[in-house]
Amino acid sequence: GDSVTQMEGPVTLSEEAFLTINCTYTATGYPSLFWYVQYPGEGLQLLLKATKADDKGSNKGFEATYRKETTSFHLEKGSVQVSDSAVYFCALMRTDAGGTSYGKLTFGQGTILTVHP
Amino acid sequence: ETGVTQTPRHLVMGMTNKKSLKCEQHLGHNAMYWYKQSAKKPLELMFVYNFKEQTENNSVPSRFSPECPNSSHLFLHLHTLQPEDSALYLCASSPGQATDTQYFGPGTRLTVL
Repeated sequence: GDSVTQMEGPVTLSEEAFLTINCTYTATGYPSLFWYVQYPGEGLQLLLKATKADDKGSNKGFEATYRKETTSFHLEKGSVQVSDSAVYFCALMRTDAGGTSYGKLTFGQGTILTVHP
Repeated sequence: ETGVTQTPRHLVMGMTNKKSLKCEQHLGHNAMYWYKQSAKKPLELMFVYNFKEQTENNSVPSRFSPECPNSSHLFLHLHTLQPEDSALYLCASSPGQATDTQYFGPGTRLTVL
């Protein structure tokens, strides 16, 4: 079945450091890939997504590139801020060849990021 | 600001109680979802409703009973729960089940004593 594996956390960084959170996936067909972020006491918010190979999703300085050859979707940010402290979830949704989804998100276990001033 | 609201935000219940979680979406979406977020485990999809019809039950125990009276509201009725059911229960919605982006509510933190 489908699965998503994220790097183990927690990750602790100083402000302005470079961030990478690794994510790899296993899926058949044509999955769409997502990064969601969960700030303390809140639900999940979509951070970025990519729907096909070599697409790059980006938002708020975060980027991730859909790499089909390595089945990866690593999250990066060049300079993190204290306000980026949150839990980050990588996820996939299987779609058919026409891009229609099956409505079932499969999540990784989440990576806790803490950024210190 | 989220277009998906959940009430209550926190709930403590005994194993013999009956309670309900409520989710409401203000986005005009047609698909709604319940997820369970337990400590140290990935989010688990529980139920999917598309146009008020249940289209997915991910082998959820019968002590969890969903209800979707219309496309804007989703309930999760709880009875005779176990302590291991303590978790954050998240509701989400999307324009339709066939669209890939889901929008999440803030969740209900449930504690079963």
